[in-house]
Amino acid sequence: QKEVEQNSGPLSVPEGAIASLNCTYSDRGSQSFFWYRQYSGKSPELIMFIYSNGDKEDGRFTAQLNKASQYVSLLIRDSQPSDSATYLCAVRGYSNSGYALNFGKGTSLLVTP
Amino acid sequence: DGGITQSPKYLFRKEGQNVTLSCEQNLNHDAMYWYRQDPGQGLRLIYYSQIVNDFQKGDIAEGYSVSREKKESFPLTVTSAQKNPTAFYLCASSISRAQETQYFGPGTRLLVL
Repeated sequence: QKEVEQNSGPLSVPEGAIASLNCTYSDRGSQSFFWYRQYSGKSPELIMFIYSNGDKEDGRFTAQLNKASQYVSLLIRDSQPSDSATYLCAVRGYSNSGYALNFGKGTSLLVTP
Repeated sequence: DGGITQSPKYLFRKEGQNVTLSCEQNLNHDAMYWYRQDPGQGLRLIYYSQIVNDFQKGDIAEGYSVSREKKESFPLTVTSAQKNPTAFYLCASSISRAQETQYFGPGTRLLVL
C-alpha cells in the first residue's frame, strides 16, 4: 500500500497569516498530486493539482512539489476564518486495483480571527 | 447545472439488511468511484468503474456490490456481509480512469440501528 502522510494537526494560524500544509508520499513513481479541502460533515472539493516540480499558484493558494524529496505542500496566503477545514493530500499511484488516488488522512487547519 | 448527486443524505440500516446508495452524474464522465471515509481516516476505495457494464474492486470491496448499467449511474449496495458499515460514503467521477482529477458528490452517511 502506497503511503501518503500528513500531520493531522490541528494547525492554528491567525487571520491574514500564511498557512503551510505538508504532505509526503512513499511511491517515487507518483506523477500527479492533488489538494482537496473538506469542511466538517461535507465532501472533499478540489483546490488544485500539480504535476511538475516547482510551484503552481492559483489565487491565494500555491502548491509546491519536490519529487526528489517526495514532498508536496500547499500554502494559503492571507488566511481567512473560512479556510478553516481539513485539507486532504492525494497522490496518484499504482496499487492492486490499478492506478488510483491514494489519500492522506488530512490536516485540520484552524484560522483564528 | 452539472454535478454529482448522492441520495439519501442519511441512511439507517438494520442488522442483516442490504441497503443501496445512489450516485448520479451529468458531467458525461466515463469513470466513477466509491470511497468510504471513517472518522480521522483517509478515503479508501471500495469499487470503481471505467466504463458502462464494467467495474473493478478497490482496496476494501468485501461486503459491497455495485452495478454500472448506465453511464450516469453507479449505485453501491452495502450487504449484510459488511459487518462495520457505519461510515461516510463518497461517490466521485473523473473524465476517464487515466484522467485522475476526481470530483466528489455530497456523500451519504450510513448509520446502523
